[in-house]
Amino acid sequence: EDKVVQSPLSLVVHEGDTVTLNCSYEVTNFRSLLWYKQEKKAPTFLFMLTSSGIEKKSGRLSSILDKKELFSILNITATQTGDSAIYLCAVGQGAQKLVFGQGTRLTINP
Amino acid sequence: EPEVTQTPSHQVTQMGQEVILRCVPISNHLYFYWYRQILGQKVEFLVSFYNNEISEKSEIFDDQFSVERPDGSNFTLKIRSTKLEDSAMYFCASSLDMLSYNEQFFGPGTRLTVL
Repeated sequence: EDKVVQSPLSLVVHEGDTVTLNCSYEVTNFRSLLWYKQEKKAPTFLFMLTSSGIEKKSGRLSSILDKKELFSILNITATQTGDSAIYLCAVGQGAQKLVFGQGTRLTINP
Repeated sequence: EPEVTQTPSHQVTQMGQEVILRCVPISNHLYFYWYRQILGQKVEFLVSFYNNEISEKSEIFDDQFSVERPDGSNFTLKIRSTKLEDSAMYFCASSLDMLSYNEQFFGPGTRLTVL
């Protein structure tokens, strides 16, 4: 059965801390791995990773994929209260669909 | 910035009634999707649509569900006879083309409540 597993499920840190969110997967016909941020409703696209070992960065966020060990991490440095959200990992399977993990609920306290 | 839009934001219906959820994908996108998220659970794939036909569907997408692109801008999900377990947030998504098809952009969702 295809699965995407995220850890931790919940994380509470103080503003300014650095956090690492994990995503492991076992999905047939892997095409890509995506990270989304979900605040109130719609998942907002953050990164798409297709190649191992190549870090993608956007401001304080970065992500990397390891296709041999079947996992990805999302790093957020110098966290701010606006980073509080659920972070979703999804694997693009075959031509069409995304298989989602259960999400990590990140809370940044001032 | 272009975005996916969905209407209504919240729909309440009685069990057994038909509902139509509407989406306007990003205008130059070619691939369209529906996902659902039952409260507290994972986002789940329902169906993908390209070139006016379904290209993939999940086990959830049974005969009670249908999708349509009635014109050049709208993409709809119809549930013929709603059940209590259809209560969920329904997300529409779209992607540009075959090279970036996994880079899907999501709408704000329609919360469907079946009573």
